[in-house]
Amino acid sequence: AQTIHQWPVAEIKAVGSPLSLGCTIKGKSSPNLYWYWQATGGTLQQLFYSITVGQVESVVQLNLSASRPKDDQFILSTEKLLLSHSGFYLCAWNGDWGQDTQYFGPGTRLLVL
Amino acid sequence: GDSVTQTEGQVALSEEDFLTIHCNYSASGYPTLFWYVQYPGEGPQLLFRASRDKEKGSSRGFEATYDKGTTSFHLRKASVQESDSAVYYCALSDNNNNAPRFGAGTKLSVKP
Repeated sequence: AQTIHQWPVAEIKAVGSPLSLGCTIKGKSSPNLYWYWQATGGTLQQLFYSITVGQVESVVQLNLSASRPKDDQFILSTEKLLLSHSGFYLCAWNGDWGQDTQYFGPGTRLLVL
Repeated sequence: GDSVTQTEGQVALSEEDFLTIHCNYSASGYPTLFWYVQYPGEGPQLLFRASRDKEKGSSRGFEATYDKGTTSFHLRKASVQESDSAVYYCALSDNNNNAPRFGAGTKLSVKP
C-alpha cells in the first residue's frame, strides 16, 4: 500500500526566515506529485506539480519554489518567508494517468509571525 | 483551459435536509470527474469519481451523475447528518496527464 508523509507537522517561523517543507511517497514508483496551499478557511490553491525527477511545473508561485530531488520526494521552500505564507500546505500524488485519483498527505500547518 | 465551477461557497442545513451542491465543468473530450471531501485539519479525500457520460458515482449516501450534455456533476444527498459537515471539492482530470483542476470548494455546515 502507498503511504504519503509530510514534515514537519507544524511550524512557527519568523518573517524573513527560510522554510523547507518535505513530502515523501512510499510504495509507488514514478508518481505525479503536487503541492497545494490553503489559507485558513480558504480554498485549495495548486502551487506546483512534478511528473518526473528534476522536473517541476509552477502553477502559482507565491514567492515559493519546489524541487524533486528523488522519485519519491518533493520539497517546497523559500529563502524569505512572508506573513502571507501562513496556512496549510498539502502534498498530493496520483498515478501515471492524469485522470487518476489524487491522494493527499496529512498537511503541514505553517504560521508566520 | 479546463475549469470547474462550484456555485455555492457555503451551505447551511439542518439534519435530514436534502443537499445539492452544484458543479459545472469546462473541458474538451471526456474528463474524469471527482468529488473530494475535506474534514477540518485533514487533507481532502476522495468521495467518488465518474469517467463516462451518465455514470453515477456514489459513496456514504452521496451521489452525482456525470452529465456531458449539461457539463455538470452535481453532488446530492437525501438526508444529511451533522457528521457530513466538511468542505466539498469538485475536480476534473483530463487524459493528458495534466494537473487536476479543483473547484473553489463548498463548505457544508449541518446543525443537529
